[in-house]
Amino acid sequence: QKEVEQDPGPLSVPEGAIVSLNCTYSNSAFQYFMWYRQYSRKGPELLMYTYSSGNKEDGRFTAQVDKSSKYISLFIRDSQPSDSATYLCAMSGGSNYKLTFGKGTLLTVNP
Amino acid sequence: GAGVSQTPSNKVTEKGKYVELRCDPISGHTALYWYRQSLGQGPEFLIYFQGTGAADDSGLPNDRFFAVRPEGSVSTLKIQRTERGDSAVYLCASSRPGARDGYTFGSGTRLTVV
Repeated sequence: QKEVEQDPGPLSVPEGAIVSLNCTYSNSAFQYFMWYRQYSRKGPELLMYTYSSGNKEDGRFTAQVDKSSKYISLFIRDSQPSDSATYLCAMSGGSNYKLTFGKGTLLTVNP
Repeated sequence: GAGVSQTPSNKVTEKGKYVELRCDPISGHTALYWYRQSLGQGPEFLIYFQGTGAADDSGLPNDRFFAVRPEGSVSTLKIQRTERGDSAVYLCASSRPGARDGYTFGSGTRLTVV
């Protein structure tokens, strides 16, 4: 079993839909949780960063962390075609320098 | 510079050859990381530099891989005797000292070994 599991999709939704992406993990030492967005042939770009459990909102994006269930989520409201990309969850332990990534979920938002 | 710069963006090499991949981090970022991303996978950690020294090279797959950062800025990832399995996108990232809000990635070098 990999430390971080993420359904690779692909996921296809109509414009304006609410998108839910999630990851599960097995390492209890993870404390820092991130979501990156990666466009084709580009490097990952940090979208959301959360420490420990809880929710964080930034515009149309909401990140949730449930450490008791070892489950993290990213919600995208009012999805736009420009949101079409691969979304990667990433997490790290106390040292915070080494990220462990999920496989990424390929999202397509259709106009 | 404004972002993390990686050169070349694409590299095709023959099996058995030696390659060097360069990373120019954001000015002032003392932490530098190399990751490798195979097709359909998330990035996997290779090595972490704090300043000039490799603080953690536990992700380097074998002794054909080596990385340096002699002046604490630009870093070079070196791969000897390349194999077809080395084909991947090699990503570099940098961050401020003690940053706890993720790091900034470059666009990567797409290495193809034929």
